[in-house]
Amino acid sequence: DTAVSQTPKYLVTQMGNDKSIKCEQNLGHDTMYWYKQDSKKFLKIMFSYNNKELIINETVPNRFSPKSPDKAHLNLHINSLELGDSAVYFCASSQAGFGNTIYFGEGSWLTVV
Amino acid sequence: SQELEQSPQSLIVQEGKNLTINCTSSKTLYGLYWYKQKYGEGLIFLMMLQKGGEEKSHEKITAKLDEKKQQSSLHITASQPSHAGIYLCGADTLGSQGNLIFGKGTKLSVKP
Repeated sequence: DTAVSQTPKYLVTQMGNDKSIKCEQNLGHDTMYWYKQDSKKFLKIMFSYNNKELIINETVPNRFSPKSPDKAHLNLHINSLELGDSAVYFCASSQAGFGNTIYFGEGSWLTVV
Repeated sequence: SQELEQSPQSLIVQEGKNLTINCTSSKTLYGLYWYKQKYGEGLIFLMMLQKGGEEKSHEKITAKLDEKKQQSSLHITASQPSHAGIYLCGADTLGSQGNLIFGKGTKLSVKP
């Protein structure tokens, strides 16, 4: 069973479109995250979220918005896609609290053309 | 400069050889995570270190965190082709769990 799963794995879309990436975790974790890995392979956090608090990395454009229908899901919505949004997006989850293991999904490859 | 530096950037070793990857932070590490990434796959959790001087092992991989909690090393003994991939260190430098900064990764190739 995949612990953290993302869909779609690959997405090619045109500039200006709105798209979503879904993430689900079956680990019973209460905190989920979105990370972005750019073309230079740097992996940076975008959001962390639990049912109490959404923490946004201030460098993330407001075209990106996380939506959590329930504790096991954290979807990423992206409006008005730009070429620079092309990257690999990773979802992750952990239990709240310091020192808990953070588990990552397999990544979603987004290409904006 | 990057907050988290990994070295080397890439490494090619003969099967059976030992190797070490280093991860150095400019800040105190509240937690240091090691992950392995293969192309097209996600990040596979290897180990997490929190205490100064801590050392953990899993199969042929050993990770250490120095006493000052600013540097970690990942050591692979008797490398195998299955060890090939990109090794990433991720660090919690704020004490805010989950907000990790990552190094650029070390690409490891193991020649059979």
